[in-house]
Amino acid sequence: EAAVTQSPRSKVAVTGGKVTLSCHQTNNHDYMYWYRQDTGHGLRLIHYSYVADSTEKGDIPDGYKASRPSQENFSLILELASLSQTAVYFCASSPDIYEQYFGPGTRLTVL
Amino acid sequence: AQSVTQPDARVTVSEGASLQLRCKYSYSGTPYLFWYVQYPRQGLQLLLKYYSGDPVVQGVNGFEAEFIKSNSSFHLRKASVHWSDSAVYFCAVSAGNNNAPRFGAGTKLSVKP
Repeated sequence: EAAVTQSPRSKVAVTGGKVTLSCHQTNNHDYMYWYRQDTGHGLRLIHYSYVADSTEKGDIPDGYKASRPSQENFSLILELASLSQTAVYFCASSPDIYEQYFGPGTRLTVL
Repeated sequence: AQSVTQPDARVTVSEGASLQLRCKYSYSGTPYLFWYVQYPRQGLQLLLKYYSGDPVVQGVNGFEAEFIKSNSSFHLRKASVHWSDSAVYFCAVSAGNNNAPRFGAGTKLSVKP
């Protein structure tokens, strides 16, 4: 049974619209992360969290907000989606700051 | 912050040949190092990890990597590749202390039959 799930698996959004990507983990892990994947850039860290109700900025946080309402759930929010945010988004969890367990990804297309 | 460079965007090898995928990291302290594999339209899966001790670490499916501190490298190796090894491989580094892991750009491996 998948321990990190993401929803939706794919989404088409309009420029300027609001998008929420959700992540749920059943690993009982403290740490959760959001990365985006673009060809040629690998995975880039957007936000992460090591405790519920607290989030940290990663390397490319501009245009994104994160929310960690519980240990199990971590959301990524695009308040005003832009074309440049078209990418595949991965959520991950880890028991500490080391080995990560990834979800299947969400393919976001902004038109 | 820590960073990772994977200098080879694409590598093609013949089935049965040996493999080395290169990874260099930037971090002044003792790093925690990882290799992950991504199959098409899937998330990343851990291949192996280095925290401390023996610099040569074994992973799944015959993969191994060697931590060379003097060269800031953590290259991935396999003695004999199989067509099913075709995938994208990512190297990652963590500095610990609540610093999230950072990833390289990835190397796409194609194995010719």
